[in-house]
Amino acid sequence: EIVLTQSPGTLSLSPGERATLSCRASQSVSRSSLAWYQQKPGHAPRLLMYYASTRATGIPDRFSGSESGTDFTLTISRLEPEDFAVYYCQQYGSSPLTFGGGTKVEIK
Amino acid sequence: EVQLVESGGTFVQPGRSLRLSCAASGFSFDSYVMHWVRQAPGKGLEWVAGINWDSFIVHYADSVKGRFTISRDNARNSLYLQMDSLRPEDTALYYCAKDKGGSLFFYFESWGQGTLVTVSS
Repeated sequence: EIVLTQSPGTLSLSPGERATLSCRASQSVSRSSLAWYQQKPGHAPRLLMYYASTRATGIPDRFSGSESGTDFTLTISRLEPEDFAVYYCQQYGSSPLTFGGGTKVEIK
Repeated sequence: EVQLVESGGTFVQPGRSLRLSCAASGFSFDSYVMHWVRQAPGKGLEWVAGINWDSFIVHYADSVKGRFTISRDNARNSLYLQMDSLRPEDTALYYCAKDKGGSLFFYFESWGQGTLVTVSS
């Protein structure tokens, strides 16, 4: 099983700042098979990114994803008020599908 | 528009059984892999089980293997999760989710709003 470790657990930032979220895999994730989701309180998760760096439909371009070996990064270039939420990474390169523990982006 | 509506969640005692349902609409249900994903109160996401379009490929998380059974009825556009031998640690909001693919398991394109299962004596 591929274990995904997200850091930091909480990120305290102000609107307009840049957010950098990390997701480290315990082993290689085949074919860059990693997705990112955003979840707001009381809501279901929403797909943001797949194949590490491809934005899902309707996701603004301030969201970007990158990969370096087993390290994956989600970057929000300039935080908007609606971006404060919890973010999860998920790998689908091998079974079982696994999620990271999440990073909460909160208003400083 | 994709719609996924879960139902069947309730309060149940440990050791009992429960069946969750997910009614799908707005897409060709019989062409996609479907999943159940759960979230314990205040915790993160955990994939539970997935099933491909023709029910030939089924996978489970180790935590539920042998106790839960995922199934689908393409004629009724419905996904199910039969949960047996329930434990307190199964307490969670259970989401139905649509995959990007039809046979292999990928990522979760669309999600329902969830149905809450509480297991307690």
